[in-house]
Amino acid sequence: DGGITQSPKYLFRKEGQNVTLSCEQNLNHDAMYWYRQDPGQGLRLIYYSQIVNDFQKGDIAEGYSVSREKKESFPLTVTSAQKNPTAFYLCASRPFGPQAAQYFGPGTRLLVL
Amino acid sequence: QKEVEQNSGPLSVPEGAIASLNCTYSDRGSQSFFWYRQYSGKSPELIMFIYSNGDKEDGRFTAQLNKASQYVSLLIRDSQPSDSATYLCAVNMDYGGSQGNLIFGKGTKLSVKP
Repeated sequence: DGGITQSPKYLFRKEGQNVTLSCEQNLNHDAMYWYRQDPGQGLRLIYYSQIVNDFQKGDIAEGYSVSREKKESFPLTVTSAQKNPTAFYLCASRPFGPQAAQYFGPGTRLLVL
Repeated sequence: QKEVEQNSGPLSVPEGAIASLNCTYSDRGSQSFFWYRQYSGKSPELIMFIYSNGDKEDGRFTAQLNKASQYVSLLIRDSQPSDSATYLCAVNMDYGGSQGNLIFGKGTKLSVKP
């Protein structure tokens, strides 16, 4: 089955700890995105990547880092510098083309202990 | 600052009625428009996209676009309780290095009462 997978479904972070959220897609999509969603808020873009080995900061990149070593994978690290990490994190991917839609994975809910 | 505005709701309609969800956007250069449905605790799911002025129908869903008024809407006919969800409007940034990036509205929560 083609799709986007995110793991884990729930993640708990201790203070001062870095944690990494996984995002994998087998849709052969070129672009991948990370969003954060807080209750009552819209989706906010953290990072995006349009090709392998290249990525750009979104609107709220501080306290986060990413890598894009493979087309299929776009992991997000939430660093200890992110002081308010509790949120629903969504990964999306998109095929090439100016009018193509983004498709979302199931999400990871990050909670702080 | 490019923005997409939606009424947060909740919008409550009886089962079988037409639900009308509205969205306005600030960037006149936007060319692609999307509607996503998000059930509570789940990720957004693409349900409609529209690029040209006018109406586009898919089953019980109709998307309407008016670029002159910078307005896009989603109509859901014969609403069902299973349509109860938050509907996100998204607009594509079709230029420069941000091609393909989406600006999302905060969503309208729809409740369909049996």
